[in-house]
Amino acid sequence: EAGVVQSPRYKIIEKKQPVAFWCNPISGHNTLYWYRQNLGQGPELLIRYENEEAVDDSQLPKDRFSAERLKGVDSTLKIQPAELGDSAVYLCASSGGQGIHEQFFGPGTRLTVL
Amino acid sequence: EDQVTQSPEALRLQEGESSSLNCSYTVSGLRGLFWYRQDPGKGPEFLFTLYSAGEEKEKERLKATLTKKESFLHITAPKPEDSATYLCAVTGSNYKLTFGKGTLLTVNP
Repeated sequence: EAGVVQSPRYKIIEKKQPVAFWCNPISGHNTLYWYRQNLGQGPELLIRYENEEAVDDSQLPKDRFSAERLKGVDSTLKIQPAELGDSAVYLCASSGGQGIHEQFFGPGTRLTVL
Repeated sequence: EDQVTQSPEALRLQEGESSSLNCSYTVSGLRGLFWYRQDPGKGPEFLFTLYSAGEEKEKERLKATLTKKESFLHITAPKPEDSATYLCAVTGSNYKLTFGKGTLLTVNP
């Protein structure tokens, strides 16, 4: 069974430029998460989707970050404009349902903002 | 607000030298405690879920235990391939997963 797929794996951009990350969850997983992980820290939730609906986006910096999950499968996370402090690893995860289910993570996208 | 504190931050063992990692937590209405393994440049890999105090789970050289305030990940006779960062996370009444900073484990041959 294929795992969570993310692209690109690495991205280097200048500050104030836009950037987008893509995620394809495990087939059949209705719940999708985006996390940000800074060096030496655990992942921090940015947004959680149940199918197409964003049910928890309280930690998403909405002035520059946006996300979408059209058709309830793939998802895109966008930053516009990027700032130096946005440099981090952006992780996508999926799980098989609501409530207590194990989350399965993709390999992440390492973003460097210069 | 849910909080997870892991100790030690880093642990260096010799191959075969057993030890334990600690995860202390405060959460409103614990619904699950999770252990993940993370290798450099990769996403976290799921290991265990524990739901209630007294529960234990094992996988190869790893054994996770849970009390009302903390969880331990016991590593028996570790091998160099067990070297990784081990992350602990909790889910409470809001179903949000809160992670600790992790313990970086190095096992020397």
